[in-house]
Amino acid sequence: DGGITQSPKYLFRKEGQNVTLSCEQNLNHDAMYWYRQDPGQGLRLIYYSQIVNDFQKGDIAEGYSVSREKKESFPLTVTSAQKNPTAFYLCASSMGLAGSTDTQYFGPGTRLTVL
Amino acid sequence: DQQVKQNSPSLSVQEGRISILNCDYTNSMFDYFLWYKKYPAEGPTFLISISSIKDKNEDGRFTVFLNKSAKHLSLHIVPSQPGDSAVYFCAASEAWASGSARQLTFGSGTQLTVLP
Repeated sequence: DGGITQSPKYLFRKEGQNVTLSCEQNLNHDAMYWYRQDPGQGLRLIYYSQIVNDFQKGDIAEGYSVSREKKESFPLTVTSAQKNPTAFYLCASSMGLAGSTDTQYFGPGTRLTVL
Repeated sequence: DQQVKQNSPSLSVQEGRISILNCDYTNSMFDYFLWYKKYPAEGPTFLISISSIKDKNEDGRFTVFLNKSAKHLSLHIVPSQPGDSAVYFCAASEAWASGSARQLTFGSGTQLTVLP
């Protein structure tokens, strides 16, 4: 049963604490991505990774960090430097095909609320 | 500066009729377009895509049309069903200068409600 899992589904943290969101995929995809969704808005890219041990900043990387030590895993840490961390976080993966038809598939998301 | 725009935040359609969701873009470098369906508190589900070398792609009840000169794409759902009620996002991508991963630029979404 292939797919992308994100845990936990809901997460609550106190202001000033770092928190790590999990993302695992068993689709054998090379590329992985983190997006954030705020109410009434589209998804915005935080970080992406094309291969293991490599990752790049997206449009809104400030206050976030990632690692890609394994192909299957791409955890996102929301640090205390992120000014508005409360949001819905979505992880995605794709085969990473060269060319134009690389489709991203999404996990179920994690709702982070910072109190 | 929104590169992908969905100007209708909501759309209501009667069951059995056609739903037409629209999307406009400004970046002429976009060459791959996708539609996703999303329920509240869930991840988006991929529906259908189209490459810029085509002007139409069909998959069952879903058809996507691309008008490159107008920088406009639309998703047609025929016939519409109550289970189609969800937020629909269009997304566009261009190849990055290095590597194969692609950034998706999303519109803000359209809430489709199919009335029984």
